[in-house]
Amino acid sequence: AQSVTQLGSHVSVSEGALVLLRCNYSSSVPPYLFWYVQYPNQGLQLLLKYTTGATLVKGINGFEAEFKKSETSFHLTKPSAHMSDAAEYFCAVSGQNAGGTSYGKLTFGQGTILTVHP
Amino acid sequence: NAGVTQTPKFQVLKTGQSMTLQCAQDMNHNSMYWYRQDPGMGLRLIYYSASEGTTDKGEVPNGYNVSRLNKREFSLRLESAAPSQTSVYFCASRGPPGRSRSYEQYFGPGTRLTVT
Repeated sequence: AQSVTQLGSHVSVSEGALVLLRCNYSSSVPPYLFWYVQYPNQGLQLLLKYTTGATLVKGINGFEAEFKKSETSFHLTKPSAHMSDAAEYFCAVSGQNAGGTSYGKLTFGQGTILTVHP
Repeated sequence: NAGVTQTPKFQVLKTGQSMTLQCAQDMNHNSMYWYRQDPGMGLRLIYYSASEGTTDKGEVPNGYNVSRLNKREFSLRLESAAPSQTSVYFCASRGPPGRSRSYEQYFGPGTRLTVT
């Protein structure tokens, strides 16, 4: 079984400020972790993913996330927010089986709406 | 490539009516998924198809049926719509793992369904 908790359904930052969106997961097997972004009235777009190897992963639009196994966390950060970052962000987990390949099914967190003020 | 396409984009149904949501992908992906998105609940898996000819229930399958028509197409049917099925529905597909063995899913633009 796996689950995802995103702390904070709404986060508000000023333009140029640090963006920090929190994600904690639980998984009975080594996880694959994803962050997706959803702009208004659109589908979901992959921001970044962690599979294996380097625990700090970089994605599109200047975002990055760090996988911390001991904390079961995968928080998303961006050093300087831009107005165009305003969107809803989803953290998701997919479990791996013993062979090292993913089951494929994603479990999503409830989402965090990011607002960026001028 | 169009990626994942969904039709219709919007639909209003009366309680008890039926309809089919269509999804197609042109990326030659084996696996396809249907999700519903409700405020504050993220996306929840309704049904999925690991490969052509197979379908399985997800987290919230009640009130829905699916058909994997061929490798490209995966449809979702509401036989007797209820107001609780008012939601945004997303179709997704997943390709082979590749060298990184990652399994990201690619999403369509969604169908906004209102049941009155």
